[in-house]
Amino acid sequence: AQSVTQLDSQVPVFEEAPVELRCNYSSSVSVYLFWYVQYPNQGLQLLLKYLSGSTLVKGINGFEAEFNKSQTSFHLRKPSVHISDTAEYFCAVTPRGTQGGSEKLVFGKGTKLTVNP
Amino acid sequence: NAGVTQTPKFRVLKTGQSMTLLCAQDMNHEYMYWYRQDPGMGLRLIHYSVGEGTTAKGEVPDGYNVSRLKKQNFLLGLESAAPSQTSVYFCASSYTGTGPETQYFGPGTRLLVL
Repeated sequence: AQSVTQLDSQVPVFEEAPVELRCNYSSSVSVYLFWYVQYPNQGLQLLLKYLSGSTLVKGINGFEAEFNKSQTSFHLRKPSVHISDTAEYFCAVTPRGTQGGSEKLVFGKGTKLTVNP
Repeated sequence: NAGVTQTPKFRVLKTGQSMTLLCAQDMNHEYMYWYRQDPGMGLRLIHYSVGEGTTAKGEVPDGYNVSRLKKQNFLLGLESAAPSQTSVYFCASSYTGTGPETQYFGPGTRLLVL
């Protein structure tokens, strides 16, 4: 079984500051990794995903994440945040080799990012 | 394309009442899912479907039933609502591929059980 730990439940930052949202996972098998974002009063949407290849993954809206297998981490970063980045961010994992749907996708509890002017 | 839509957006029930939440997708996705989201708990899978006429249990299926009579629709039923079922419910859908496919989420249904 897999589990995901998002170390910070809330992260307040000022506009134009850099931000890092931390995600660690536990799994007995190799995994695929995802970050989803949920804007206020909306459903989740995919921000980025790591399947294979380069461990640095770039996503939408200037976000990127780095897969670190030895530390079992997949931290999300943005060098300069905007007010519009205020949202809740979810890290998720699923076993590598998963075919078909995403019924084995396990979500973390989320990190609320608040960008202040 | 509307993507994934959910009906209703908000509902208040009394304990013991029943209701059905409707999810519809227009992307011809095979897979559909129902999640519940509770503060500090993230998303937990209730039930899912791998195609028309099929359903399967997720992590927290107790107290819920589902049906997938048409490929584009996935219904979530509460036969006898309980206050513990107060939550935000999200429907999602995805393709069937050779790898993990992106899930597309609806806007959610807020349910309050008194």
